[in-house]
Amino acid sequence: NAGVTQTPKFRILKIGQSMTLQCTQDMNHNYMYWYRQDPGMGLKLIYYSVGAGITDKGEVPNGYNVSRSTTEDFPLRLELAAPSQTSVYFCAIRRRENSPLHFGNGTRLTVT
Amino acid sequence: AQKVTQAQTEISVVEKEDVTLDCVYETRDTTYYLFWYKQPPSGELVFLIRRNSFDEQNEISGRYSWNFQKSTSSFNFTITASQVVDSAVYFCALSETNSGGSNYKLTFGKGTLLTVNP
Repeated sequence: NAGVTQTPKFRILKIGQSMTLQCTQDMNHNYMYWYRQDPGMGLKLIYYSVGAGITDKGEVPNGYNVSRSTTEDFPLRLELAAPSQTSVYFCAIRRRENSPLHFGNGTRLTVT
Repeated sequence: AQKVTQAQTEISVVEKEDVTLDCVYETRDTTYYLFWYKQPPSGELVFLIRRNSFDEQNEISGRYSWNFQKSTSSFNFTITASQVVDSAVYFCALSETNSGGSNYKLTFGKGTLLTVNP
């Protein structure tokens, strides 16, 4: 999907475990985003980045951390997984402001 | 704050019917962008269209058409002669301008699940 690769595709975590969701792009776009999708709730922005070394919080950042050391990679870290973090996570890239977002295929995470 | 409302949670039609998906937005920005995305049952998110606030011309792409009306803050999406392959969740989204005037973020509606029955 538009050069955005997300891994893993699926993951089951126990409460309190940690993990990193990986997102890599090969389009050299500056803008990268993490959204979560809960049933019937649309997409909520967790964090975004406008370039290497620059990140900012979105609407629902609590319980997550990000870093952007390179243009290509934008990993999302969950430190202490909670059942409320059960969701589908989408990474997206964007060429410039107001360009469309292009999404990866998503990671389905279950926390039990 | 920016807001996007898709009041229709689910719509079910029979193949070949026309169907319109509603999108109403709220923004204080004078310049903004609107988007539609499709999410088929396979789960990926597919970009369909982008429209900026200065261009109120309707757009048609095959069986798809979009009606942008600034006066009613609406950006509705019509599928003509629907097909089973049109079954998907459709999201409307609005670009959001921060205090510095940059449009970094998209705000999404909750989506409309369209089911087209044979």
